[in-house]
Amino acid sequence: GDSVTQMEGPVTLSEEAFLTINCTYTATGYPSLFWYVQYPGEGLQLLLKATKADDKGSNKGFEATYRKETTSFHLEKGSVQVSDSAVYFCAPSDAGGTSYGKLTFGQGTILTVHP
Amino acid sequence: DAMVIQNPRYQVTQFGKPVTLSCSQTLNHNVMYWYQQKSSQAPKLLFHYYDKDFNNEADTPDNFQSRRPNTSFCFLDIRSPGLGDAAMYLCATSMRGGETQYFGPGTRLLVL
Repeated sequence: GDSVTQMEGPVTLSEEAFLTINCTYTATGYPSLFWYVQYPGEGLQLLLKATKADDKGSNKGFEATYRKETTSFHLEKGSVQVSDSAVYFCAPSDAGGTSYGKLTFGQGTILTVHP
Repeated sequence: DAMVIQNPRYQVTQFGKPVTLSCSQTLNHNVMYWYQQKSSQAPKLLFHYYDKDFNNEADTPDNFQSRRPNTSFCFLDIRSPGLGDAAMYLCATSMRGGETQYFGPGTRLLVL
């Protein structure tokens, strides 16, 4: 089945620092790729997605590019804010078959941003 | 606003006492998922419905059951909760498989 290797945390940064969270995956077919964010005590929210090779997903200053050749989907942000403190999950979606788009989550990366 | 609603947000039950968690959606999505998320871990898919078709993950314990009486509602039943079932339970929906999943806020289950 699909698997995800996500950069271990926790990651601690100062406000306005550059953020990279690495994510690589193994999957059959051509999955869609997602980054979800989870704030304390809440459910998951979609941060961004990409559905085919070389697509770039972006939202709230975050970006990630679907790299088929390296099976990666690294998350970046040029200048983080305190409000970005959360847990970030990388997740490929099963391409189809009987799994109906099952998400396989990485282990999550805790990000803490200090003022 | 269209959304995914989970009730209750917090549920306390006793060891071995059946408990039901509920999820409703106003998105009119075809697929509904239930995930279990233990502390500091990634969410783990338990099962999902595509319309009325139920799909159980191979490693989901028999203790966990689900019902989907109509498009809008889906229930998670835990027949005999054990201490190890204490977790956050997340419901999610998507229009079709492979598309964006929209999550509810989760129900945190405590087993005493």
